[in-house]
Amino acid sequence: DVVLTQTPPTLSATIGQSVSISCRSSQSLLHSNGNTYLNWLLQRPGQPPQLLIYLVSRLESGVPNRFSGSGSGTDFTLKISGVEAEDLGVYYCVQSTHAPTFGSGTKLEIK
Amino acid sequence: EVQLVESGGGLVQPGASLKLSCVASGFTFSDYWMSWVRQTPGKTMEWIGDIKYDGSYTNYAPSLKNRFTISRDNAKSTLYLQMSNVRSEDTATYYCTRDRHNSFDYWGQGVMVTVSS
Repeated sequence: DVVLTQTPPTLSATIGQSVSISCRSSQSLLHSNGNTYLNWLLQRPGQPPQLLIYLVSRLESGVPNRFSGSGSGTDFTLKISGVEAEDLGVYYCVQSTHAPTFGSGTKLEIK
Repeated sequence: EVQLVESGGGLVQPGASLKLSCVASGFTFSDYWMSWVRQTPGKTMEWIGDIKYDGSYTNYAPSLKNRFTISRDNAKSTLYLQMSNVRSEDTATYYCTRDRHNSFDYWGQGVMVTVSS
């Protein structure tokens, strides 16, 4: 199985602060077709997860552009440029280059 | 509006079988691969498996392949998860998801399954 290691496990931020979450894979996520299937999800309290970013850096429709994704190979980052109150929840990276696996999550708290 | 509504969960005894359903609406169900994903009480997410848009092909997480079966009825826009010989570690919230660009772009609200005697 591909193991995704997310750091930090918990993040505390003030409104307007920029934060980053790291996701490192135990194997390269570059598919033989040239795509890298690394996505980011947000699960708000009491809600199912929602897709934020797919294919490393593509913003899902309706997602604010303060969210951005970057990375390649085995190292990936989600950045939130100017945290807002509605961003609290748990962020998961998930890969589907291989049989899908999820990171353990990063809980974002608002100070 | 895309909607995925799961049902069929509840309290089941170890060793029993259970079938979950997910009714889809707001999109052409037969155009999409679909997946089941579960989330344990400790919030760990685990992909269970997926099924091709026409139902002709399935993939499973190796650890679950022998006990779980995914199927679909495109005429009813419904996805199924047949669970057999359930164990306490199968206690989780089960989500059906739509697959697009190898991502899970829509999720249902989830259905809870508790395995306990």
